[in-house]
Amino acid sequence: DARVTQTPRHKVTEMGQEVTMRCQPILGHNTVFWYRQTMMQGLELLAYFRNRAPLDDSGMPKDRFSAEMPDATLATLKIQPSEPRDSAVYFCASGWAAGGGRSSYNEQFFGPGTRLTVL
Amino acid sequence: KQEVTQIPAALSVPEGENLVLNCSFTDSAIYNLQWFRQDPGKGLTSLLLIQSSQREQTSGRLNASLDKSSGRSTLYIAASQPGDSATYLCAVRGYNQGGKLIFGQGTELSVKP
Repeated sequence: DARVTQTPRHKVTEMGQEVTMRCQPILGHNTVFWYRQTMMQGLELLAYFRNRAPLDDSGMPKDRFSAEMPDATLATLKIQPSEPRDSAVYFCASGWAAGGGRSSYNEQFFGPGTRLTVL
Repeated sequence: KQEVTQIPAALSVPEGENLVLNCSFTDSAIYNLQWFRQDPGKGLTSLLLIQSSQREQTSGRLNASLDKSSGRSTLYIAASQPGDSATYLCAVRGYNQGGKLIFGQGTELSVKP
């Protein structure tokens, strides 16, 4: 059945190391979202793409985070260098949005998340 | 700025009770509102999506209502079961936020057998 997949599911790394998280959106979806969830902040949107183009990455620390969609089946989120405060669960979600000035957005479907621990 | 608030933050009920979870939002210019369920250590599962033109949506024992003008939504769970225990998150997608989902902090539900 169709679902969003994320790898790795868990990642433990040391401060200063590069971390790459991957997401495969549901086939046919044209929007991809990256979220971060922590106990303190809840769910925060980091970045999102529509038709592979980045639309908003204002939630991301630009100096260390980067998000890309090399193709329609893969989205990546990189942190370089990682810091302990980046420890969180990172979720990817995908959905479908129609075009136009006032677009219509359908449901977002979430992946299982990547639990990142930076020591 | 869109703010989403969920009340209560936590709720514990005995099995079989009907219950209501509340969600309020400050900016009524929304495309839609989505209710999710999150089990501990897991991702989010979409439960119901209500478009801004709709008043309610139903799925099994779940019923979600939307009153856009007052900025409120409720999730009604009938005949609660221990398997319903999870955190329930409300999220709104607003015109003024570029279609982004803005989440509430969630209601942690515990249904006791």
